[in-house]
Amino acid sequence: EPEVTQTPSHQVTQMGQEVILRCVPISNHLYFYWYRQILGQKVEFLVSFYNNEISEKSEIFDDQFSVERPDGSNFTLKIRSTKLEDSAMYFCASRAGDYSNQPQHFGDGTRLSIL
Amino acid sequence: AQTVTQSQPEMSVQEAETVTLSCTYDTSESDYYLFWYKQPPSRQMILVIRQEAYKQQNATENRFSVNFQKAAKSFSLKISDSQLGDAAMYFCAYRSWVMSHGGSEKLVFGKGTKLTVNP
Repeated sequence: EPEVTQTPSHQVTQMGQEVILRCVPISNHLYFYWYRQILGQKVEFLVSFYNNEISEKSEIFDDQFSVERPDGSNFTLKIRSTKLEDSAMYFCASRAGDYSNQPQHFGDGTRLSIL
Repeated sequence: AQTVTQSQPEMSVQEAETVTLSCTYDTSESDYYLFWYKQPPSRQMILVIRQEAYKQQNATENRFSVNFQKAAKSFSLKISDSQLGDAAMYFCAYRSWVMSHGGSEKLVFGKGTKLTVNP
């Protein structure tokens, strides 16, 4: 069964550094998402992406965050200048492009640790 | 804004027994979807079951079933014949539908219920 793939599984970065989290969505999917889960808390929506532009973003997704689909297969989340509070599990998800009840499929997540 | 509430931070069940996890939500929409996701210690998010709000029939997937009460805005998950591999965090999620840029949606999650299965 096709899967959403995320790399790396664990990223350790110094505060203030830029970090890029990578995702390869399921190949025929058209809608892409990033979610965040701070340890012990619920999963929170960050951003949705369709047709090469952001469809919706949450209050968390400020100017330090950006997303890109650079080559038609990868979907990346960039944090420009990381803060301690950015430490979390980041999940990528994708969904098929019709209007039916297709669910979002999640990757295994990237654990981001900011030192 | 939609909200999802899971009032049971932790639950436990004996192997082979049945357990029900509660979820309530708040929305003004009439058409939406509800999901249960499982997150084992490996931290991946796995879809367990989904329910369309316009369907009166409760969804079932093998040992997993839901009790969907639309008027009460309740969406509970029942796990029958519990197995050790069912131990995980279970998240209830509401799918919001926003018509923009050709359609987009986001999932709104509850805080989760940690299920322990005792041998």
